[in-house]
Amino acid sequence: NAGVTQTPKFQVLKTGQSMTLQCAQDMNHEYMSWYRQDPGMGLRLIHYSVGAGITDQGEVPNGYNVSRSTTEDFPLRLLSAAPSQTSVYFCASRGTRGSTDTQYFGPGTRLTVL
Amino acid sequence: AQSVTQLDSQVPVFEEAPVELRCNYSSSVSVYLFWYVQYPNQGLQLLLKYLSGSTLVKGINGFEAEFNKSQTSFHLRKPSVHISDTAEYFCAVKGSGNTGKLIFGQGTTLQVKP
Repeated sequence: NAGVTQTPKFQVLKTGQSMTLQCAQDMNHEYMSWYRQDPGMGLRLIHYSVGAGITDQGEVPNGYNVSRSTTEDFPLRLLSAAPSQTSVYFCASRGTRGSTDTQYFGPGTRLTVL
Repeated sequence: AQSVTQLDSQVPVFEEAPVELRCNYSSSVSVYLFWYVQYPNQGLQLLLKYLSGSTLVKGINGFEAEFNKSQTSFHLRKPSVHISDTAEYFCAVKGSGNTGKLIFGQGTTLQVKP
């Protein structure tokens, strides 16, 4: 049981490049989400999903796309990277939609956009 | 809209001293509150959560928090800290609706000095 895994751990992009941050969980959790962490701003929700085929926008969705084709995977796509997207990205998952179960976080991806 | 305010961005404390990390929230009817800890270069892990019942909540690693509805606070305390408690601590409130989104505070860095 690996929990929530994220790849890569580190990434450097040039402005305008695209990439996908991978997130997977092996706990059969319905709810998955992506956050970005910036100094002094805590964690801000980018996108979330309450089940396969269902996604919705969070607090800061601009510049990011997501899809949820399987329960296990929830990739985050940057179509045209910008320096403002330099951040640490965390994926999280939780058991039952609408519950107050514990959210489990991945180890994070540190992204730098030059 | 719900929000969380962590009143101190950094809290320096000597080893074996007590510590309190402050958190205030604004929310509507039902309040579900969480404290997460992030050790350097790691993801977040749950320390404790308040869902209902006793206002004093005990968590892992000797931490506890007290829910105070009249003061809209959920302060985190530990009677005696260790060097290993050096980390960033996040207070969070469950967002409105059925999606179980978390709204995080800005974070407090606890620096334990020998």
